[in-house]
Amino acid sequence: GNSVTQMEGPVTLSEEAFLTINCTYTATGYPSLFWYVQYPGEGLQLLLKATKADDKGSNKGFEATYRKETTSFHLEKGSVQVSDSAVYFCALKIYNQGGKLIFGQGTELSVKP
Amino acid sequence: DGGITQSPKYLFRKEGQNVTLSCEQNLNHDAMYWYRQDPGQGLRLIYYSQIVNDFQKGDIAEGYSVSREKKESFPLTVTSAQKNPTAFYLCASTLEGNSYEQYFGPGTRLTVT
Repeated sequence: GNSVTQMEGPVTLSEEAFLTINCTYTATGYPSLFWYVQYPGEGLQLLLKATKADDKGSNKGFEATYRKETTSFHLEKGSVQVSDSAVYFCALKIYNQGGKLIFGQGTELSVKP
Repeated sequence: DGGITQSPKYLFRKEGQNVTLSCEQNLNHDAMYWYRQDPGQGLRLIYYSQIVNDFQKGDIAEGYSVSREKKESFPLTVTSAQKNPTAFYLCASTLEGNSYEQYFGPGTRLTVT
């Protein structure tokens, strides 16, 4: 079946530290991959996406590369800020399956000043 | 401004009562989705609709019902048959297609006592 596994949180970092949140997937078809961010009490916002192998998605200093050989889509940021504190979700979408997203369990990030 | 609205933000009900959550979008999106989020868990798909007057069950449809009479609207009814209805409910929509992102509403937090 299709599934997404993320590293467990919470992750606590100091401001300006390097961030990595691991995400691996299993998919029966050819997926598109997404990172969403959720701030407290809010809905989800798309952070970045990649639609084919070796694509790199990037936004607001965050990056993730679609690695088909390792079935991974790890999220990275070189220097986190307090305002990056949120829950991050990795998700996949399989072509021709109704546009459904399959989510990982989310990783909570807390950045301290 | 285009977007997705969910109302109300907080909803309280007594056990045994049905309750309907509203979701409206003015993005002219074809597909709409309902997800449920529980603490420390990812989002799980309840129902989705790719076109007016048609909808499909997601992974956890039991105890829920939906309708899609208009393109803009996709209300979700939580029935008394749903064993654990207390959760955060998120509505999303997207244009048809594999790589288009899903846009999320702000969510409704339902508490049933």
